[in-house]
Amino acid sequence: KQEVTQIPAALSVPEGENLVLNCSFTDSAIYNLQWFRQDPGKGLTSLLLIQSSQREQTSGRLNASLDKSSGRSTLYIAASQPGDSATYLCAVKGQGAQKLVFGQGTRLTINP
Amino acid sequence: DAGITQSPRHKVTETGTPVTLRCHQTENHRYMYWYRQDPGHGLRLIHYSYGVKDTDKGEVSDGYSVSRSKTEDFLLTLESATSSQTSVYFCAIRLDRGPRGTDTQYFGPGTRLTVL
Repeated sequence: KQEVTQIPAALSVPEGENLVLNCSFTDSAIYNLQWFRQDPGKGLTSLLLIQSSQREQTSGRLNASLDKSSGRSTLYIAASQPGDSATYLCAVKGQGAQKLVFGQGTRLTINP
Repeated sequence: DAGITQSPRHKVTETGTPVTLRCHQTENHRYMYWYRQDPGHGLRLIHYSYGVKDTDKGEVSDGYSVSRSKTEDFLLTLESATSSQTSVYFCAIRLDRGPRGTDTQYFGPGTRLTVL
């Protein structure tokens, strides 16, 4: 059974810092991995999707990497801003599966 | 937001009553999903649909049923609500060809359900 873990559960950093969020998964037979952002009381916003054949994806100040063999993904946020404060979730989709398996998220606070 | 709306956005009901949540999309996506989000459990799949009248169970389907009589609407019914079904419910669609590549899932704004 696939399990997805995100550590730490919460992270607080000053504005302007570069930071890395971590996601690990137990079964490397994944189809893709997706990073989401969730603001309090809101739905999830898709940030980046990495196919299993890819190593990384970039969107603006965000860069997500995937190391399937070690069961890890990282989300790199450059030059963090207070508006980046949110909970970040990663989710993996297994080969031939329909569902996404989510981690419990990292709650990120960027302090001005 | 891929044109996804959920109704109602908030609902308070009593144990034993039936409840129906609606997910509506405007872009004719084939795949639709219902998730619930709970502290300590994260997001878990309840049911999903891969076309009109085609549905299947997720990992936490007990006590829930779904229906999809037309492409744009996916209904989630709690047959007899219990306090353990107090949760935030999210609908999602799968975007087969999105700006972020294939298979991206987009989520609705959520419905907060409280069962007393």
